[in-house]
Amino acid sequence: EDKVVQSPLSLVVHEGDTVTLNCSYEVTNFRSLLWYKQEKKAPTFLFMLTSSGIEKKSGRLSSILDKKELFSILNITATQTGDSAVYLCAVEGNYGQNFVFGPGTRLSVLP
Amino acid sequence: DGGITQSPKYLFRKEGQNVTLSCEQNLNHDAMYWYRQDPGQGLRLIYYSQIVNDFQKGDIAEGYSVSREKKESFPLTVTSAQKNPTAFYLCASSIYVGYEQYFGPGTRLTVT
Repeated sequence: EDKVVQSPLSLVVHEGDTVTLNCSYEVTNFRSLLWYKQEKKAPTFLFMLTSSGIEKKSGRLSSILDKKELFSILNITATQTGDSAVYLCAVEGNYGQNFVFGPGTRLSVLP
Repeated sequence: DGGITQSPKYLFRKEGQNVTLSCEQNLNHDAMYWYRQDPGQGLRLIYYSQIVNDFQKGDIAEGYSVSREKKESFPLTVTSAQKNPTAFYLCASSIYVGYEQYFGPGTRLTVT
């Protein structure tokens, strides 16, 4: 059965800290791994990763995929209170016909 | 402005009634999706459509129905057969299946 596991499920840090969010998966015919930031209910897309070892970066956020070990990490450096959200990892399998979402990591950044 | 709209934002229904949730996009995307989110769980795919007049069941299609008569619109009907319909429903679209998805603001359905 396809599945996505995220850890930790919840994380509380202070502004300026660096955080690493983890996503591991098992999926048939993997196609891509996606990270979303969900705040105020609707998720916004962050990254889509398809190749191992290639870091994607956007400002203070970066992510990398390891297709051999079946995991990805999302790093956030110099966290700000606006980074507080649920971060969702999703994996696309079966040649794009199946999407499996993880439970999300709830990040709280305290001032 | 390009985007995805869902209406209404909040919807209340009595048990036993069918209810239809609206989803419209003007992004010229071929693919559209419906997800359900419950507390403590990841988004779960209900139905998706690759193109007009086509749709496929997702992981939790039982008790739901959809139609895709127009490219811009993908309404979701929550039928009385859905055992636990109270949830937050998200619609999304992507240019094609497998490309990054853009989400609507969601509809919170409460059935009592």
